[in-house]
Amino acid sequence: GQNIDQPTEMTATEGAIVQINCTYQTSGFNGLFWYQQHAGEAPTFLSYNVLDGLEEKGRFSSFLSRSKGYSYLLLKELQMKDSASYLCAVRVYQAGTALIFGKGTTLSVSS
Amino acid sequence: DAEITQSPRHKITETGRQVTLACHQTWNHNNMFWYRQDLGHGLRLIHYSYGVHDTNKGEVSDGYSVSRSNTEDLPLTLESAASSQTSVYFCASSESEWGNEQFFGPGTRLTVL
Repeated sequence: GQNIDQPTEMTATEGAIVQINCTYQTSGFNGLFWYQQHAGEAPTFLSYNVLDGLEEKGRFSSFLSRSKGYSYLLLKELQMKDSASYLCAVRVYQAGTALIFGKGTTLSVSS
Repeated sequence: DAEITQSPRHKITETGRQVTLACHQTWNHNNMFWYRQDLGHGLRLIHYSYGVHDTNKGEVSDGYSVSRSNTEDLPLTLESAASSQTSVYFCASSESEWGNEQFFGPGTRLTVL
């Protein structure tokens, strides 16, 4: 079966750096996505990794290690608006371009 | 601007009724998906389609059906609504090429009484 694990909740303060981890056990791995979802809204795309290493996009970076089944999302210079759920999702060959999502990590940023 | 819309945004129905949730996208994407989101479960895939007349079952397809008669629309039908189908439903679409992100609609909150 497919399994994706993330912490349920995290807290941090404005200006800080936070790392959200995601571990997965899947067969036919074909890419890992991170999405952000504010309460009551639709998920929006943050990043995509298919090869090992770090992808940087402004304040957000995502890392992937395929041999360890591990990814993290790094958020720098945290702002209040970063309070949201962060969803880790894996794509597997058997399901084409459909995604298998973890349960998400709710991040609360305080001043 | 291209977009993906869902209707209705909120619906209350009774157990046993047939319900159809609409999803319409104007990006001309071949790939379309339906997910449900519940507390404690995250987003789970219901059905997906890679083009006209193509449909595939996802992880939680029992009690749901879809049909794809054109590129723009993928309606989701609950044949006989059950209280366990109370959830928020998201439609998404993406281009065919590998690596492209999925764009999500605003969601439909369905309550089955």
